[in-house]
Formats: sequence, structure tokens, C-alpha cells
Amino acid sequence: GPKVLQIPSHQIIDMGQMVTLNCDPVSNHLYFYWYKQILGQQMEFLVNFYNGKVMEKSKLFKDQFSVERPDGSYFTLKIQPTALEDSAVYFCASSLGTGNTLYFGEGSRLIVV
Amino acid sequence: AQKVTQTQTSISVVEKTTVTMDCVYETRDSSYFLFWYKQTASGEIVFLIRQDSYKKENATVGHYSLNFQKPKSSIGLIITATQIEDSAVYFCAMSPPLSGSFNKLTFGAGTRLAVCP
Repeated sequence: GPKVLQIPSHQIIDMGQMVTLNCDPVSNHLYFYWYKQILGQQMEFLVNFYNGKVMEKSKLFKDQFSVERPDGSYFTLKIQPTALEDSAVYFCASSLGTGNTLYFGEGSRLIVV
Repeated sequence: AQKVTQTQTSISVVEKTTVTMDCVYETRDSSYFLFWYKQTASGEIVFLIRQDSYKKENATVGHYSLNFQKPKSSIGLIITATQIEDSAVYFCAMSPPLSGSFNKLTFGAGTRLAVCP
């Protein structure tokens, strides 16, 4: 099926530092998403993004979080500063439109120490 | 708000048999979309099958099929002729109608399937 690529696959970072997670969505997709999965639990919605704007965000999307997709390049999730509770696997997803299936990347495992 | 519930924490079956995984959901929307994904041991999330709520016919893709019972708000996943490689965690998910949230998926807690030889 369609592939979403995520870089890095995993990263260890000191608390308080900044981290950027990168996502290369499916080429013709227009909607982009980030989900957070804490070990052993279900994925939870963070944010969705369309036409250069955040359309909707959850309570998990703290003020320290930001997303952007400059000039059609990577769709990024930036956390600044990081906190211990940000340790999780972050999944990027994309879809062609609303009502279309979301396709997920393989996740970026973030460990904040 | 939408809610998805998977009550089966784990299931173990012998390969080549059929397994059914349960999922019930809550929503105030009259139309919505339902999905099943699986998460492999490596962590990869793979889309399996979907059901649009306005369609009465149960979706089928390969050896995956759905048992959609709208009056019961239920969307069961049926896997026939299971294989060892079907061992994974299966997540049920739903999203609002086109006029609602932009494809915001709500996931269930997942069911771990172990297929044994």
C-alpha cells in the first residue's frame, strides 16, 4: 500500500532539549496527522494539518508542540522543550482527503531522559 | 465525542482457523467511517479494511471481512484461514462524517492476536 516515511525511527534526547520528527507523506495526499502511542496503549490523536494550517488539535497537543510543512517538504512535529512525559512513539499519517483512509508511517520512538 | 471499545484483550487461535474480533462504538453522528488496522511486532501500523456506515453490505478484502451491525453499533473483524503472520495487535477505529472533524480517528485499545501452529 501507500508508504509514509518517518525520520528518525528512534531518538533519545535530554529533557528540555528540542526535537523535530520528520514525515514524508504519500505524494498526492493533502491531509496530514500526528498520533501519539504510549507503550502498550492505543494511538491517540494529536493534530491534523491541511493547506498549511492546523485544522484540529487535541488536549495532548501541548503549547510546546508545533507542526509545519514548509514548501511541501517534510511534515514536521517539533517539541520544544521536551518533557519526560513526551516519551512515546509518534506516528505520522496522511490521507487524500476527508473520508479517505489514513496511511501511517512506521513511527518515531522518542525517549526523553 | 466518539468512543471505540474492544473488550477482547488477547485471543489465541490455531492457524488455518477463523477468528472474530469484536468492536463496538459510540457516536452521535448518523454517518461515519469505521476502520481496522493491525500493528505488527515491529510497530508498523497497517490498514486492513474499512466500512462506510451508509453501506449495508459488509466489506471484504482478501481473507478479512467485516460483520457490520449498525443497530448494535458493532463492527467485528473476521479473519478466515488465519496464518502465523497474522499475529499482531488489531485496532478498531472510527472517524466522523465528512462534515465533521477532519478525519480525526478514534482508536480502540486493541486486541492481541496470536496464531499458533
